[in-house]
Amino acid sequence: EAQVTQNPRYLITVTGKKLTVTCSQNMNHEYMSWYRQDPGLGLRQIYYSMNVEVTDKGDVPEGYKVSRKEKRNFPLILESPSPNQTSLYFCASSSGTANTEAFFGQGTRLTVV
Amino acid sequence: AQTVTQSQPEMSVQEAETVTLSCTYDTSESDYYLFWYKQPPSRQMILVIRQEAYKQQNATENRFSVNFQKAAKSFSLKISDSQLGDAAMYFCAYKVSPFFGNEKLTFGTGTRLTIIP
Repeated sequence: EAQVTQNPRYLITVTGKKLTVTCSQNMNHEYMSWYRQDPGLGLRQIYYSMNVEVTDKGDVPEGYKVSRKEKRNFPLILESPSPNQTSLYFCASSSGTANTEAFFGQGTRLTVV
Repeated sequence: AQTVTQSQPEMSVQEAETVTLSCTYDTSESDYYLFWYKQPPSRQMILVIRQEAYKQQNATENRFSVNFQKAAKSFSLKISDSQLGDAAMYFCAYKVSPFFGNEKLTFGTGTRLTIIP
C-alpha cells in the first residue's frame, strides 16, 4: 500500500529538548515536504527536498532542520523546541511531476511546554 | 506571492442537501493547479478533487464538483447529496506548475463543514 508514515503521532516535550519527527514514504517519490498546521492559518510549508541531499527552506523554516540522506526518509528536527512550535505537523511526498497528487502522512501533534 | 482565501470559516448543511464552499486565489502565473483537500477528525489529509488551470471544463468526482472561474480567480467546491461522512475541515490549495522546483502547496485557512442529520 502506498503511504507516508510519520512517527510519533503525538508528542509532548519540554522547551529546549531536541526532538526528531520521522517521515518515510514507500513510493520512491523524489519530492518531500514538511508543513505545519495552525488554527486560522491553514498549512504552511517548513522545508522541502527535491531529492537526496537537496533540501531548501519553505515559508516558515525558523527553528527547524531537515535532512535527506535516503530517498525514502525525510526527518524533521527541532534542536531547541519552543512553545510557539506547538502545532500539527504533516509530511508529504509526490513524484515531482506538476500534475501529481501529494500524499500526506497521518500528522504529528506536537506540544511544547 | 500566491495567496488562497477561504472566507467561510464554518458552514453547515442538512443531510442530503447541496452545499458550496468558496475559495479565491491570487496569482500572476498562468499555469497552475488547484485542489480541495478534506481533513476529517482523524486529521488525515484526503484529496477530494483537482483542477488544472489550462482546462476549461470543471472537474467532477462523484458528488463533488468545482466551479472554476479562471478570470475571477475563483474555485468553489460543490458537494451534492451531503452525507454525514462529509463532515470535515476542507482546505482549498494552489500549486504553481514548476518545470523543476518546489512543489509547494499554498493552502487557504479552511472551512469547517458540519452535516445536520
